[in-house]
Amino acid sequence: GQQLNQSPQSMFIQEGEDVSMNCTSSSIFNTWLWYKQDPGEGPVLLIALYKAGELTSNGRLTAQFGITRKDSFLNISASIPSDVGIYFCAGPPSNTGKLIFGQGTTLQVKP
Amino acid sequence: DTAVSQTPKYLVTQMGNDKSIKCEQNLGHDTMYWYKQDSKKFLKIMFSYNNKELIINETVPNRFSPKSPDKAHLNLHINSLELGDSAVYFCASSRQGRTGELFFGEGSRLTVL
Repeated sequence: GQQLNQSPQSMFIQEGEDVSMNCTSSSIFNTWLWYKQDPGEGPVLLIALYKAGELTSNGRLTAQFGITRKDSFLNISASIPSDVGIYFCAGPPSNTGKLIFGQGTTLQVKP
Repeated sequence: DTAVSQTPKYLVTQMGNDKSIKCEQNLGHDTMYWYKQDSKKFLKIMFSYNNKELIINETVPNRFSPKSPDKAHLNLHINSLELGDSAVYFCASSRQGRTGELFFGEGSRLTVL
């Protein structure tokens, strides 16, 4: 089935550093989404992207919908300890009505 | 008020037993889902219902049976539990036409011994 490849798998950074992660697909997506999952909680939607080339921010988070429509990037600036969690990219394959997720990027922030 | 609530949050049971997980959403959404998250944190869709009608049924053993009594509720019943069923099961909901914008519950951690 279709897969989303997310990298890196994990990151361990110092508080205050910027973080970048990405997601790629072998097929075109018309929507890209980024979710965050805190320990013991369900994923929460951070940013939704609907147009190729679109760049959208949510506070210190910025996400981009790649021009080829086969990739997306998420950047976190000036990380803080509460940024710790698992970040998932997600997208709905065409005409399936379902959402598939990448493998996740686990972020740890050292105070 | 919790938007998507699942019960129980934790469930420990023996192999071969039958168990159910309940889900309710108070967001007025038309579509509800069950996802399974394995030990590697991979999230995989299992089922989706739209207005009580099953619209997505992934390759899931037929020991798993979802039931939607109304559009605010989606329950998951699992028969003859196996060790490999141990996982966190997430319920989610979305507005019709907004497939990507899911609201997840807190998850139900199932441990089969």
